[in-house]
Amino acid sequence: DARVTQTPRHKVTEMGQEVTMRCQPILGHNTVFWYRQTMMQGLELLAYFRNRAPLDDSGMPKDRFSAEMPDATLATLKIQPSEPRDSAVYFCASGPGGGLSYEQYFGPGTRLTVT
Amino acid sequence: GQSLEQPSEVTAVEGAIVQINCTYQTSGFYGLSWYQQHDGGAPTFLSYNALDGLEETGRFSSFLSRSDSYGYLLLQELQMKDSASYFCAVGGSTLGRLYFGRGTQLTVWP
Repeated sequence: DARVTQTPRHKVTEMGQEVTMRCQPILGHNTVFWYRQTMMQGLELLAYFRNRAPLDDSGMPKDRFSAEMPDATLATLKIQPSEPRDSAVYFCASGPGGGLSYEQYFGPGTRLTVT
Repeated sequence: GQSLEQPSEVTAVEGAIVQINCTYQTSGFYGLSWYQQHDGGAPTFLSYNALDGLEETGRFSSFLSRSDSYGYLLLQELQMKDSASYFCAVGGSTLGRLYFGRGTQLTVWP
């Protein structure tokens, strides 16, 4: 049963600390997405990759957020320094791309609380 | 740009039928997707319409009218477990990006 995995599932940190979230996409999927979900803003796309190349990261605050795919099995999202307004659930999703690009598989999410 | 409108809340009773509408404005439309998200869970894919008409998958059906920039998700024989948020999303190009609506919170009462 192929699934997207994310670590950690929960993270509580203090303002100013670095936060790193990790995602393992489904093997064989060539697109990877990072979303942030809050009550106020809904589901926002932060960044996405195709074949490990970043396609669009315009949804991310560039001064503090960075997203990378060091290899096909790992995607990372870093926040440095973190701020209370970054508190949200961060989802990673992967997709097969191509003709099935409408179908994305979401991981369980990382619930981030910044105090 | 892209914009999607869907009702914020819908309520219904078990066994009933409910329709969740979605209107969109987008450039380069490829198709309309629907996702379900239970409280505390992750969005999961339900259906996709690239062409006009109705697609049926069990108790759920999805409809698209490209000329009206409109679609809906129809849930029949509602069950308590259908209580969740439902998101419409446009996209589906080979670039893979989806644009999500704000979601509709469906509450099913016994």
